[in-house]
Amino acid sequence: NAGVTQTPKFQVLKTGQSMTLQCAQDMNHNSMYWYRQDPGMGLRLIYYSASEGTTDKGEVPNGYNVSRLNKREFSLRLESAAPSQTSVYFCASSEAQGTGHYGYTFGSGTRLTVV
Amino acid sequence: GQQLNQSPQSMFIQEGEDVSMNCTSSSIFNTWLWYKQDPGEGPVLLIALYKAGELTSNGRLTAQFGITRKDSFLNISASIPSDVGIYFCAGRERFSNYQLIWGAGTKLIIKP
Repeated sequence: NAGVTQTPKFQVLKTGQSMTLQCAQDMNHNSMYWYRQDPGMGLRLIYYSASEGTTDKGEVPNGYNVSRLNKREFSLRLESAAPSQTSVYFCASSEAQGTGHYGYTFGSGTRLTVV
Repeated sequence: GQQLNQSPQSMFIQEGEDVSMNCTSSSIFNTWLWYKQDPGEGPVLLIALYKAGELTSNGRLTAQFGITRKDSFLNISASIPSDVGIYFCAGRERFSNYQLIWGAGTKLIIKP
């Protein structure tokens, strides 16, 4: 099925460990995003990539890095995981600015627990 | 950053009841979007609104782009058990880039 694919779906890390969350979309979208979702706080933007080759910080970038590997793939890396990074992480993609269509398509999420 | 004011935070309703929720912003928006998130899944787009005053339906769902351009409403008629989930509003400010600003969500719970 066309859409946004995230891996892994679940992950448990020890404090200080590192890991990379993978995201790929097959809709030929230019823009990709990483959000985290915590109870009662809605969706908060971590990083985004407006187009291949560019990345920018969102609302809560501290403790994360990203790589836009190509047009399809956008990864999120936690270099030294902390319990405060326990959350559900969503990747999303959208068509380019100026198309008039701003709806995002989301992946099904990665549930990360840092102990 | 700005977050939309979405209300109510949660709703307990009887099957068959109509549901209303809304979002307000402190600035003018050019786009309003309504999403639904089922448990364990990512949000899915329900309705997109691009013009002030626009009223758009998707089955039993109807959403409106407020004429002040600072609010939007979502109504669900004759609720059924599969309507359970979290509903998010999202919008794009006038003169901004294409990034969306999100509400905190309305959790819909149907009484047994």
